[in-house]
Amino acid sequence: KQEVTQIPAALSVPEGENLVLNCSFTDSAIYNLQWFRQDPGKGLTSLLLIQSSQREQTSGRLNASLDKSSGRSTLYIAASQPGDSATYLCAVRQEGSNYKLTFGKGTLLTVNP
Amino acid sequence: DTAVSQTPKYLVTQMGNDKSIKCEQNLGHDTMYWYKQDSKKFLKIMFSYNNKELIINETVPNRFSPKSPDKAHLNLHINSLELGDSAVYFCASSRGGEEKLFFGSGTQLSVL
Repeated sequence: KQEVTQIPAALSVPEGENLVLNCSFTDSAIYNLQWFRQDPGKGLTSLLLIQSSQREQTSGRLNASLDKSSGRSTLYIAASQPGDSATYLCAVRQEGSNYKLTFGKGTLLTVNP
Repeated sequence: DTAVSQTPKYLVTQMGNDKSIKCEQNLGHDTMYWYKQDSKKFLKIMFSYNNKELIINETVPNRFSPKSPDKAHLNLHINSLELGDSAVYFCASSRGGEEKLFFGSGTQLSVL
């Protein structure tokens, strides 16, 4: 059974700092991995999708990497801003189970002005 | 334009009642989902429909019955509500089972 773990559970940084969020998964037979952002009282917004054959994806100040064999992904946020404050979740889609995502519990990020 | 919209946003009801949550997507996606987020913020899939066909039914009690009248809609009906059903329910959609998921803003269900 796939399990997704995110460390740390919460992170507080000053504005402008670069930071890394971690995600690990127990079964490396994944089809892809997504990073989401969730703002309080709102739904999830997909930030980056990495296919199992890819090593990284970039979007603006965000860079996500994937090491499938070791069961790890990182989300790098450059030059953090207060508007980046949110909960960040990673989710993996298992091979052979294309329609099901398994989510981690998320990292609550606070960027202080 | 809202891509995935679900109603109502808040639902407060008594134990034993029956309630429905509606979801619509205007993205032209063929796959829709219901996810449940519990008090610990843990998201778990409940159902997935592809082209109106049930693909995933993830050990959800029979009191929960999804209905997909067409590819753009996936409604969730809950019978005999229990205290433990209190959670935030999210609808989502995607193109096939391989692409990015787009989520609705959630329905916070409180069972008293």
